[in-house]
Amino acid sequence: AQSVAQPEDQVNVAEGNPLTVKCTYSVSGNPYLFWYVQYPNRGLQFLLKYITGDNLVKGSYGFEAEFNKSQTSFHLKKPSALVSDSALYFCAVRPLTGGGNKLTFGTGTQLKVEL
Amino acid sequence: GAVVSQHPSWVICKSGTSVKIECRSLDFQATTMFWYRQFPKQSLMLMATSNEGSKATYEQGVEKDKFLINHASLTLSTLTVTSAHPEDSSFYICSARDPPGTANSPLHFGNGTRLTVT
Repeated sequence: AQSVAQPEDQVNVAEGNPLTVKCTYSVSGNPYLFWYVQYPNRGLQFLLKYITGDNLVKGSYGFEAEFNKSQTSFHLKKPSALVSDSALYFCAVRPLTGGGNKLTFGTGTQLKVEL
Repeated sequence: GAVVSQHPSWVICKSGTSVKIECRSLDFQATTMFWYRQFPKQSLMLMATSNEGSKATYEQGVEKDKFLINHASLTLSTLTVTSAHPEDSSFYICSARDPPGTANSPLHFGNGTRLTVT
């Protein structure tokens, strides 16, 4: 069975500083990996995905994520955080083959960017 | 980009009544839609996969008779919470993949429905 771990419930960072939101995964075979962001009382918005190819993936709003196969990680990063980045972030995984349509989400990490 | 519209955004109902939530794909056709439930400060739990023109596929532990899913067209899926009870109070979110049937395409989510059962 596939699983996602987001070890930090909350990440605090000052505006202008770099941010990292951690994600590790477990899946049979090669993974599809995704990051989503959720604002209060809203659905999830897609940020970026990793399928194959370059391990560094760039996405919306200046976010990027690095796929590390040996560490089974897909950490989300941004060079300079904004207060408006404050939200709940979810990492998700599904296997490249098999697994049906099921996308498995982590428990989410609350990002708080302060002035 | 692909837009998924969910209605209502919030609803309050009395215990024992039924509530219908609609999920529409506005600018694409969705042969499959996914219904999630999210508890406060927790992750999304996949409840069921809605299939156009056929029966929904429910995840283990989800009551089929409690959460009725209908996918009558390529752009509309509905979730009906029957005989609602306070423990059904939650945030329900639908999603669909565009283009459909492509495993690596991202899910597009509705804005969710906050259900409160009194």
